[in-house]
Parts: sequence; structure tokens; C-alpha cells
Amino acid sequence: AQKVTQAQTEISVVEKEDVTLDCVYETRDTTYYLFWYKQPPSGELVFLIRRNSFDEQNEISGRYSWNFQKSTSSFNFTITASQVVDSAVYFCALSSPKGGNMLTFGGGTRLMVKP
Amino acid sequence: NAGVTQTPKFRVLKTGQSMTLLCAQDMNHEYMYWYRQDPGMGLRLIHYSVGEGTTAKGEVPDGYNVSRLKKQNFLLGLESAAPSQTSVYFCASSYTDRGYSPLHFGNGTRLTVT
Repeated sequence: AQKVTQAQTEISVVEKEDVTLDCVYETRDTTYYLFWYKQPPSGELVFLIRRNSFDEQNEISGRYSWNFQKSTSSFNFTITASQVVDSAVYFCALSSPKGGNMLTFGGGTRLMVKP
Repeated sequence: NAGVTQTPKFRVLKTGQSMTLLCAQDMNHEYMYWYRQDPGMGLRLIHYSVGEGTTAKGEVPDGYNVSRLKKQNFLLGLESAAPSQTSVYFCASSYTDRGYSPLHFGNGTRLTVT
């Protein structure tokens, strides 16, 4: 069975601080995919990034970066110089080719960025 | 390009009432999904469909039924609503089931059962 754990249920930072959201996953599959989604206060789910299990390169997109480490089964998400607009619930999710594209989600981390 | 559209956006039901949530996608995706979101539990899969005329159970299917009569529509029904079904419901679609395709989500339906 697959499992995704986001141990941080809520994080509060002051604008311009860096913040890292943790994600730990469990799977027996050798091929799998990891995702991060953002859910702003308006409620929609926005896809941020996908990482394949065979690609451990870190990813940077503007102020966002992702650190994928298979050795620790982690896929952490860092926001540099946080902004109020980053306030949202962030979900880490896992899927595999065997799972028919069905995502297993973590419980989410609510990030509050205060001005 | 509307993407995935869910109706209604909000609904309040009394225990025992029935309702249907409608999901429509205009991306010609084969695969569609219904998830529910509860605090601290992320999103959990209720039912899904791999094509027109097909449906299958997900992680939490009890108390729900679905139908996929047309490729672009995926309906979620509650025959006898219970307070435990108070949740936010999300519909999603994808073009492949190979695991790597990001899901495209609708904006959600907030359902309250009193």
C-alpha cells in the first residue's frame, strides 16, 4: 500500500522567510511519481510539480525548489523569500503506473505567511 | 477553455436526502475521478472511471454511486445523505492512467449534511 505523510499540519512564517514543507512517502513500486499541489484560500487545486522516481535531480522554479531523495523517501518543498500570496494548503501526492493514475495524498500542510 | 467544471458549488442537505453532483470536462480525457477532502486527511478517492460506460470503486466508495454515460460527464450520487458525508468534493480528469499525468481538478463542491 502507498502512503504519504506530511507531518507539519500548519506552519506560520513572516514574509521573506524561507520555509520547507516536508513530505515522506511509502511505496513498494520501483516506478512511481510524486506531485505537489497548492490549494489557495479560493479552494481550487493547482498542480505545481511532478517528479519521476528515476530522476533525483532537484528542481528549481523561481522561488520554489524541490528536493527529492530516494534514500530517505522524501520529496520536500522549499519556498524562498515567502510572500503572502504563498499562503495556502500544500499537498504532496504519490502515484504509480500500477495504480491507474490514482493519487495517494498526504494530509496537507497549511502555510500561513504573515506580512 | 473551461477545463473541469463542477456543479453545484455549495449544497446543504438534510439527513436522508439525495442529490447528484455533476462533473464536466472539455479536454477529451478518458479518465475521471471523484475525491473527497476532509480536514487533515488530504483527498481520498471515492470512485473513478477509465472511460465512457465504466466505473470502479476507490478508497472510500460506501454511500456513493457514480455514472459515466458520456465521456465528458461523471456524476456522483448520494442516495441517502449522512452527516459523515459532509465534505468538499473534487472531480478530476486525466488523459492517461500511466501514473505520470497530473490530474486536472474542478473547483470543488462544498456539501453540508445536517
